[in-house]
Formats: sequence, C-alpha cells, structure tokens
Amino acid sequence: SQQGEEDPQALSIQEGENATMNCSYKTSINNLQWYRQNSGRGLVHLILIRSNEREKHSGRLRVTLDTSKKSSSLLITASRAADTASYFCATVPYNTDKLIFGTGTRLQVFP
Amino acid sequence: KAGVTQTPRYLIKTRGQQVTLSCSPISGHRSVSWYQQTPGQGLQFLFEYFSETQRNKGNFPGRFSGRQFSNSRSEMNVSTLELGDSALYLCASRDRDRGYGYTFGSGTRLTVV
Repeated sequence: SQQGEEDPQALSIQEGENATMNCSYKTSINNLQWYRQNSGRGLVHLILIRSNEREKHSGRLRVTLDTSKKSSSLLITASRAADTASYFCATVPYNTDKLIFGTGTRLQVFP
Repeated sequence: KAGVTQTPRYLIKTRGQQVTLSCSPISGHRSVSWYQQTPGQGLQFLFEYFSETQRNKGNFPGRFSGRQFSNSRSEMNVSTLELGDSALYLCASRDRDRGYGYTFGSGTRLTVV
C-alpha cells in the first residue's frame, strides 16, 4: 500500500500543552499537506509544504519536512479543546495530482 | 463563496443495487477528486477529474466509476453494491492553476445492507 503512517495513533493532552504528530511516507513527492477531520465529517486543509521547503508556519501550526527521511511533523502549540479532531498527513506523489493519506492521529485536548 | 456540496448526506442501499453520488465543487474549481473512507482502509483515492477528463484513478474495481460535467459538477457511481462498499465518500475540489490545496465536502455516508 502507498499509504503513509502516522505516529502516534492517538494523543491526549491538556489545554495549553503542545501536540506533535509525525508522518512517514514512501514515495517522492511534490508536496505534503495536513488536514483535520472532526467526527467523521469532511476534511479541512490546514497547511501545505512543498518538497523544497523544510519548515512552514501558520498561526499555531508548525510543519517540518525531511525529504531524505521521507517524514514530516505537525506541531500544534498552546492546544485548545476545539483542536480535538483527527489529523491526517497527505502526500502528492511526484507527477500526480492525487492525495495519498496517512493513517491519522486522533488528538483529544482536555479542558 | 459556497463550499463543496455533496448530496445526499446519507444513503442506505441494498446489496446488489447501484448508487450515484453527486458533488458540486467550489465555483471556478475545475479539478474534482473522490475519496473513500472506511475504518479498516482509511482514506483512499478513487479518481480525479479535470475539465471533464479522468486524470488519475485509484485501485478500485470497475464497479466504481465517475464523470464530470461541463460545469465541473461530478458524479460517482457504484454498481452491484457490496457490504464492503459501506463508507464515507468524500469529494474535494481545487483550483489547479493556483496551487495544490483541496477543499473537501462533508461527504456522503453510504450504508449497504
């Protein structure tokens, strides 16, 4: 399967703490994206990082990409209860337009 | 700007029947992709359409098909439904000329009994 792996599968933290999720993938990519999904609903695009970028920030989100290790991490700083959701990384393999999703991390933030 | 609209939201079908799901992309987005989400297999790519042409296809049997109309709206069809086709089907659109971020609809939850 081309599917990427995410680690951890589940994460529980208190409000105000930071949450870090890791993603590994298998193929050469154009870019890597992170999405959030609340309770089996649609996915919300969070951030995109291109293959020639190493780090990107958006508000409380920080994404890193290491193409030599085929891995990425998503850091959510100062977590809020509203951040409770499943988070998925998705790669766009080189020369395609399809998203290959990871297995997801379920984040629970307790107030 | 209206988001990606998928209809219907919920659907219950009997094994052996066929089903058609609809997706209206964001105005101006000509690329539409479909994904299947199940607890066992996760999120899997079905196909992508751009300007009425299928550009990419995932590893699904021929019972899964789709099409895109001139107004960019898309439909996917599943024939001879099996119990394992029960899933959340998600549609996503993007402006291919502006970048790679996708906007997803809320999905159609299909239950096959």
